[in-house]
Order: sequence, then C-alpha cells, then structure tokens
Amino acid sequence: EAQVTQNPRYLITVTGKKLTVTCSQNMNHEYMSWYRQDPGLGLRQIYYSMNVEVTDKGDVPEGYKVSRKEKRNFPLILESPSPNQTSLYFCASSFWSSYNEQFFGPGTRLTVL
Amino acid sequence: GQQVMQIPQYQHVQEGEDFTTYCNSSTTLSNIQWYKQRPGGHPVFLIQLVKSGEVKKQKRLTFQFGEAKKNSSLHITATQTTDVGTYFCAILTGTASKLTFGTGTRLQVTL
Repeated sequence: EAQVTQNPRYLITVTGKKLTVTCSQNMNHEYMSWYRQDPGLGLRQIYYSMNVEVTDKGDVPEGYKVSRKEKRNFPLILESPSPNQTSLYFCASSFWSSYNEQFFGPGTRLTVL
Repeated sequence: GQQVMQIPQYQHVQEGEDFTTYCNSSTTLSNIQWYKQRPGGHPVFLIQLVKSGEVKKQKRLTFQFGEAKKNSSLHITATQTTDVGTYFCAILTGTASKLTFGTGTRLQVTL
C-alpha cells in the first residue's frame, strides 16, 4: 500500500531532550516536507527537500533540523525542544515538487513539558 | 512571505444546506490546491487549479479559480455529515518549492 509513515504517533518529552521524528514513504517520491499544525494557524511548512541531500527552509525552520540521506526517509530532528514546539506534526511527500499532489502521513502529536 | 487569506474560519450548517469557502491572495497565483482534513485525520488532496477562470467539479464539490488568478472558492452543494472537516487551500510561494497553506475553514454539519 502506498503510504507515508511517521513515528512515533504520540510523544511527550521534556525541554531540552533531543528527539527525532521519523518519516518514510514508499512511493519513490522526490519531494518531501514537514509541517506543523497549530490551532488557528493552519499548516506551516518547516523544511522541505527536493531530492536526496537537498533540503531547504520553509516558513518556520527555527529550532528544527532535517536530513535527506535516502530518498524514502526524511527525519525531523529537534535538538533542544522547547514548549513552543508542542504541536501536531505532519510529514508529506509528492512525486516531484510542491506543484504536485501532497500525500500526508498520519501525524505526530508532540508535547514538550 | 506570500500569504493566502481563507474565509470563513468556521461555518456550521444543517445537512442539505450549501457551503462555500474562499481563498484570496494579493498577488497572482501560479496554481492553487485544495485539501480536506477530517477531525483527527491528516490532510487529503482534493484538487489543483491552474488555469484562469477554471471550474472543476467532483460530485457535489465545485472548485473555481478566479479570472485574475488571485482567488479561489470551494462550494459544496447539499452538504452531508460526511463533509465535516477542515478545508484548506494551498499555494506555491517563494522559489515555487514552498507550499503555503491557508488557515482553513472548519465545516460542521448537523442533522
């Protein structure tokens, strides 16, 4: 089944404790991205990647890191999480670029205490 | 950066009534995408509009792209409880590799 998977689905952590949210797609998509969703603010793009080893900042990149070492994986890294990063996070992928239909993962609900 | 305003933020209708959500930009858009997110779910792609004045239909959903390519609308005819969710528009911004979403319109449908 064609899909985007994210792990973990739920995470409660404490300020400053490094964490990684994994994202994987099995559709051989070139483009991958991360979004955070907060009430009243919609979906805001954090980082995106056009291809392996090519990443770029979205609208809200501060406090986040990403890497794209393999085509199928695009992990989101929070080196030192803070409470304002408490949010619902979505990974998405598409065939070529943001111009194409985005396929979203199921989401990761993160709480930073 | 480039933004898109989406209105209304929330609408509550009775089943059978029509519903419309609008997205407006101050600049000309290359295209616009629409997504639906059910409560507790993830966004799901509905459609993409590219041409000026374009109108596309999916059963009870009608999507329009303005003549000036600065606005778009999603109209649902005779809503059903299955239409409940938040509807987002999304536009390409920056280098055309970034995707910016509107704040969404939450639709509630009651019997």
